[in-house]
Amino acid sequence: DAGVIQSPRHEVTEMGQEVTLRCKPISGHNSLFWYRQTMMRGLELLIYFNNNVPIDDSGMPEDRFSAKMPNASFSTLKIQPSEPRDSAVYFCASTLGGEAKEVFFGSGTQLSVL
Amino acid sequence: GNSVTQMEGPVTLSEEAFLTINCTYTATGYPSLFWYVQYPGEGLQLLLKATKADDKGSNKGFEATYRKETTSFHLEKGSVQVSDSAVYFCALSAPTGRRALTFGSGTRLQVQP
Repeated sequence: DAGVIQSPRHEVTEMGQEVTLRCKPISGHNSLFWYRQTMMRGLELLIYFNNNVPIDDSGMPEDRFSAKMPNASFSTLKIQPSEPRDSAVYFCASTLGGEAKEVFFGSGTQLSVL
Repeated sequence: GNSVTQMEGPVTLSEEAFLTINCTYTATGYPSLFWYVQYPGEGLQLLLKATKADDKGSNKGFEATYRKETTSFHLEKGSVQVSDSAVYFCALSAPTGRRALTFGSGTRLQVQP
């Protein structure tokens, strides 16, 4: 299995631009998580889906952030408009089952907003 | 709510030294506990886990024991190697309520030859 695949690996954009991060979970997994990692705040859960349905989005910072999971093999995290404080590494992770057991992480997207 | 507290790093050790990274947790009920490791430029990987009190998780020479009485899950290794240099995260999965993993802040380990 190819594991959790994220794209792009690196994204550099200017403040105000729209940013879309993409994730393909492991085939057969039915739970998907988006995390953000910064030096100041560590790993923060942004949102997680179970069977393509958002279960908990309480970690989404504000309305500028949105996430979708149109089918079991694809999810997006969008930031519009982006701001410098959004600069971070964004991880997607997936697992099988509604309860987190072994969660498999992608390699992350390094986002820099100038 | 659920939370995980880890000792702050960085931790710098010489090769073959003994490693302990402390982790304590707060949770309702009996969570599952995990240690994840993150190597530079990569995502997190599961290192070991324990799902009930007194369980010991082990992998690659690392061990951690689920201590309910002290709400702890300390990571240990008897003899570290340079290749163990990474960031280590303690995490919990609550049995009820929000099911996603709750992570500690991470502890950076640097092993010198």
